[in-house]
Amino acid sequence: DVQLVESGGDLVQTGRSLRLSCRAFGFLFDEYSMTWVRQAPGKGLEWLGFIRAEADGGTTQYAASVKGRFTISRDDFYNIVYLQMDTLKSDDTGVYYCARVRRGFSFGVPGDYWGQGTLVTVSS
Amino acid sequence: QAVVTQEPSLTVSPGGTVTLTCGSSTGPVTSGHHPHWFQQRPGQAPRTLIYDISNKHSWSPVRFSGSLLGGKAALTLSGAQPEDEADYYCILSYDNTRPIFGGGTKLTVL
Repeated sequence: DVQLVESGGDLVQTGRSLRLSCRAFGFLFDEYSMTWVRQAPGKGLEWLGFIRAEADGGTTQYAASVKGRFTISRDDFYNIVYLQMDTLKSDDTGVYYCARVRRGFSFGVPGDYWGQGTLVTVSS
Repeated sequence: QAVVTQEPSLTVSPGGTVTLTCGSSTGPVTSGHHPHWFQQRPGQAPRTLIYDISNKHSWSPVRFSGSLLGGKAALTLSGAQPEDEADYYCILSYDNTRPIFGGGTKLTVL
């Protein structure tokens, strides 16, 4: 069965860094682009960015709100996609989800499977 | 940047029908926006219900359907069940820009 498991969420101070992981199970990970979405407490979903499959160039695209501070990378050997978050702000507090993009779809939209999310709390 | 609009809240009676919409500030929503719909029940992660306007996954209940309606993407629920009470989000893709979520619709089954 397809499963996505996020980890790495924590309570961190403003200005610090944190790296989230999303480990994939049950599918050929290297054939899929992967995306990250977050949800601030009591708010809606916000698309953060995605990384294409290596066969599609392995390139990344980010939302304007996090470009330059957040970096998405992937390890196709261990089937993990990462979200490196730097210079964290209180507005970055929320639940962070990884999701799979449908194979061959060029836009980084969550196409089918989602993880359960991991909570990041940024506080001074 | 474009704004994607959804009704903030809607109410449907059990067994009733309701249509949620997803509009774009840039003009009519078309197939090129690849609208997707997501359901998020309280305390749960989102799940993808509909992709590319009207396509369903194996887990998508038959009572949900997607379409383009009046220049917007639409999600219609026919025969509402108590378990359909949830937040529903759409997302639209734009050429050369980032996908954008709508603000979500809180659906109450009452």
